[in-house]
Amino acid sequence: KNEVEQSPQNLTAQEGEFITINCSYSVGISALHWLQQHPGGGIVSLFMLSSGKKKHGRLIATINIQEKHSSLHITASHPRDSAVYICAVKSNFGNEKLTFGTGTRLTIIP
Amino acid sequence: KAGVTQTPRYLIKTRGQQVTLSCSPISGHRSVSWYQQTPGQGLQFLFEYFSETQRNKGNFPGRFSGRQFSNSRSEMNVSTLELGDSALYLCASSSAGRDNTIFGPGTRLTVT
Repeated sequence: KNEVEQSPQNLTAQEGEFITINCSYSVGISALHWLQQHPGGGIVSLFMLSSGKKKHGRLIATINIQEKHSSLHITASHPRDSAVYICAVKSNFGNEKLTFGTGTRLTIIP
Repeated sequence: KAGVTQTPRYLIKTRGQQVTLSCSPISGHRSVSWYQQTPGQGLQFLFEYFSETQRNKGNFPGRFSGRQFSNSRSEMNVSTLELGDSALYLCASSSAGRDNTIFGPGTRLTVT
């Protein structure tokens, strides 16, 4: 079993829909990242969370440390949100190693 | 403010050759981590350097090595290249322990 599990693997939605991507992990962590990767490879760090909730524009990320679960929400989705979204956890051993989920490929149809 | 720089961006090598990739972190960041991304295995951690010392290493063979210089720039080296080493190699820099990890654009290595 992978240390970091994401669901769904693929998600297709209509423009304007509310999107939720889930991440569950099985190890002790100090922080969790949500990353976005567009075709072409560049990775952008969207959020780093250690507790609670963060919001940036139409993106919201939440984490429940007790349940070892995080969600990424996109409100009023837009075709430019089409990308692969990756959850990554940072171990609580005092280093910067990230362990990644397999990613969720999101496609927003106009 | 300059981002994380990786050079070269694209590289084609032949099996058996060796390759060196470079990563220049954000100014002031002392931690540099390297990752390999392949279609089959996804993103995997290679190693992390902090203040010129390797702090952590992933499960990769000894053909993969790295180092960090006093200016925090880092290099990774892959010797005796195999076809399976074809991948996107990403580096990320951070101020250790802070919420500021920045990824570079990656180096796409193709081994033929």
